[in-house]
Amino acid sequence: GAGVSQSPSNKVTEKGKDVELRCDPISGHTALYWYRQSLGQGLEFLIYFQGNSAPDKSGLPSDRFSAERTGGSVSTLTIQRTQQEDSAVYLCASSLVSSVEQFFGPGTRLTVL
Amino acid sequence: GESVGLHLPTLSVQEGDNSIINCAYSNSASDYFIWYKQESGKGPQFIIDIRSNMDKRQGQRVTVLLNKTVKHLSLQIAATQPGDSAVYFCAENIGTGNQFYFGTGTSLTVIP
Repeated sequence: GAGVSQSPSNKVTEKGKDVELRCDPISGHTALYWYRQSLGQGLEFLIYFQGNSAPDKSGLPSDRFSAERTGGSVSTLTIQRTQQEDSAVYLCASSLVSSVEQFFGPGTRLTVL
Repeated sequence: GESVGLHLPTLSVQEGDNSIINCAYSNSASDYFIWYKQESGKGPQFIIDIRSNMDKRQGQRVTVLLNKTVKHLSLQIAATQPGDSAVYFCAENIGTGNQFYFGTGTSLTVIP
């Protein structure tokens, strides 16, 4: 079956521009996560959506970062006024509410020049 | 804050040998642990999990050991194959929802 998909796979932008990253979770998965992975580093938790509950935004590094999840499915991570330190791979994962196993997408590699 | 770390950032093993990847954690309240495998250019993939009420769990060619006394877990891969070459992460959950904290990863290289 279809896994988690993310788009674009690569994004190059100029410092100061806004970017939107998209995640399509596995159908039926009510939990959705965003992570950031810098080169050679582990995964840094950003935000977590669970059904209609208020999202857990505790991992967002600054107010330039925001995320939405419309209709309980597709999610968009927006980074405003991008900085060079935002360059990383942004990973999305989804899971069933009854399971802690997260299924990851391939990620979006963001490069801020 | 949370701390999940790995003892060895890189590991090279001969094909057919067994591999052991280690992970230390600092939160004694952590009650669930997962090992993930991440191949180049891909997202992490679930390998095996273990709850804090267990000290060992086996899967296909993989075994996870949990030592709560010293807050340490390990992933053992039997008869390592070239396809096992990847970065391996341990992740811990302290029971507050489904948020996991990931370590920095160990890069495993299998030498044919």
